[in-house]
Amino acid sequence: DAGVTQSPTHLIKTRGQHVTLRCSPISGHKSVSWYQQVLGQGPQFIFQYYEKEERGRGNFPDRFSARQFPNYSSELNVNALLLGDSALYLCASSPRTATNEKLFFGSGTQLSVL
Amino acid sequence: EDQVTQSPEALRLQEGESSSLNCSYTVSGLRGLFWYRQDPGKGPEFLFTLYSAGEEKEKERLKATLTKKESFLHITAPKPEDSATYLCAVQAKKDYQLIWGAGTKLIIKP
Repeated sequence: DAGVTQSPTHLIKTRGQHVTLRCSPISGHKSVSWYQQVLGQGPQFIFQYYEKEERGRGNFPDRFSARQFPNYSSELNVNALLLGDSALYLCASSPRTATNEKLFFGSGTQLSVL
Repeated sequence: EDQVTQSPEALRLQEGESSSLNCSYTVSGLRGLFWYRQDPGKGPEFLFTLYSAGEEKEKERLKATLTKKESFLHITAPKPEDSATYLCAVQAKKDYQLIWGAGTKLIIKP
């Protein structure tokens, strides 16, 4: 079975632009979470969706938004990019429930904002 | 405020030299503590979940233990392929979100 897939793998944007990151969870997984990981730090929680509904939101500005589609894939959108948004964006899926007992991560999208 | 602190930041060992990584936490009611391994350029990979003080879990050369204030990841006779960043995360009873530490970068030299 395929693991969690994220696209694109790398992205370079300039300040003020908008970006959309995409994630396909493992087949059968209904929960998708998004994390931001700055170099040398642990992941920071951004959003969680379960069965297409938002189940949690971390301490990120309104420039960050997400949604989950009927096939359980997900998009993370970031508007008005800042230099500080440069990071590895990770998507994780978990099986059937929203309890996050075991997360399966994709390899991430490396976003560079110039 | 819930938080997780991992130490040391980096650890260099010779192949076969056993050691331990520490994860100290403060959380208002622990639901679970998680250990993940992260290789460069990849997402974290799940290792263990611990739920209560005194619990232990083992997988190959790794053993995780839990007390009321901290968790240890013991590495016995490590091999170069154990080189990675090891991340600890806690989950509070108030919700299901994970609070992560900054990780310990482990380097095993042959």
